[in-house]
Amino acid sequence: SQQGEEDPQALSIQEGENATMNCSYKTSINNLQWYRQNSGRGLVHLILIRSNEREKHSGRLRVTLDTSKKSSSLLITASRAADTASYFCAGRGSARQLTFGSGTQLTVLP
Amino acid sequence: EAGVAQSPRYKIIEKRQSVAFWCNPISGHATLYWYQQILGQGPKLLIQFQNNGVVDDSQLPKDRFSAERLKGVDSTLKIQPAKLEDSAVYLCASSIEAIQETQYFGPGTRLLVL
Repeated sequence: SQQGEEDPQALSIQEGENATMNCSYKTSINNLQWYRQNSGRGLVHLILIRSNEREKHSGRLRVTLDTSKKSSSLLITASRAADTASYFCAGRGSARQLTFGSGTQLTVLP
Repeated sequence: EAGVAQSPRYKIIEKRQSVAFWCNPISGHATLYWYQQILGQGPKLLIQFQNNGVVDDSQLPKDRFSAERLKGVDSTLKIQPAKLEDSAVYLCASSIEAIQETQYFGPGTRLLVL
């Protein structure tokens, strides 16, 4: 079963705009991670936020976590064409395995 | 450092045939994972190894899927016999230890079962 569900399923924006993706999850987590997958490639780890954190930044990425609502958001600022990819959230619970959502396909138009 | 290597990159077989995938994790990584990613979905964990022992194989369809990690380094995942619904990308990932937060993924093997 999928731990997270991303929203929207697909997002298309112009280069330079900000992109926001949301993730909702079902069970308690120790941390939530975001991964990027370029077409035909494996996943790349972007950022991790722990259950006791509310916000985290890394470069152009900002992640928020609301454990009361079981939701997280990923913001990419000043998007570039190279940011075009699928983005997945993944929750790590007590079972210590990562459970991935179904992903958001982001397209950044030049 | 070299990343996770997988082969082959693509494979086309007919249903009821057998297929095997190979993975070489990052050197020194004790934990190895196999995921199945069906088109339009996120990866689903099939099996997790810690060194050469199985930690979690609860989602592995054991009637047709098998995996091994001899000597705690390379791993192979086998499907025998394949079904149409096995068409997917099979991703291998590794991490230094099971509790390490970050997993490093290989490029995947894209399997098409006809």
